[in-house]
Amino acid sequence: DGGITQSPKYLFRKEGQNVTLSCEQNLNHDAMYWYRQDPGQGLRLIYYSQIVNDFQKGDIAEGYSVSREKKESFPLTVTSAQKNPTAFYLCASSTRQGSATNEKLFFGSGTQLSVL
Amino acid sequence: SQKIEQNSEALNIQEGKTATLTCNYTNYSPAYLQWYRQDPGRGPVFLLLIRENEKEKRKERLKVTFDTTLKQSLFHITASQPADSATYLCALRGGGKLIFGQGTELSVKP
Repeated sequence: DGGITQSPKYLFRKEGQNVTLSCEQNLNHDAMYWYRQDPGQGLRLIYYSQIVNDFQKGDIAEGYSVSREKKESFPLTVTSAQKNPTAFYLCASSTRQGSATNEKLFFGSGTQLSVL
Repeated sequence: SQKIEQNSEALNIQEGKTATLTCNYTNYSPAYLQWYRQDPGRGPVFLLLIRENEKEKRKERLKVTFDTTLKQSLFHITASQPADSATYLCALRGGGKLIFGQGTELSVKP
């Protein structure tokens, strides 16, 4: 089955701890994205990557870091610098950014991060 | 400032009726607009895309309109069913990225 897999489904972070959220896709998509969703708010873009070994900051990148060493994988690290990390995190991919036909996003099932 | 807004109040309708959801935007000139469905605790799922030169688009019981003069898109579900209950998100391309509205929760009662 082709799709995007996020893990874990639920994650708890202790004070001062870095945590990493996993995102893997087998859709052969070039572009991958991380969004944060808070209750009653739209999805906010954290980071995106259009190609391996390259990524750009989104609107709320502070306190987060990413890597794109493989086409299939785009892990997100929530660092201790992110003071309000409790949210639902969504990973998405698309065939190519900037093309209307191809920019529909395929989302994973999300990771709910909470602070202990 | 640039904004994309959906009705934050939940929409409650009776089964069989037509649900109409609104997406308004300001200070964007999007080439297209997308609609997604999101169920609780899940990621959004793409439904439809409508381009700026298309007035209307249909897919089964779904219909989307796009009025670039009013800067508004309407999303209709005809003959609604309880299984249509979900949050619906609109999204448009602005500033080089896809911008999402906050979503409208639809509840269809039997």
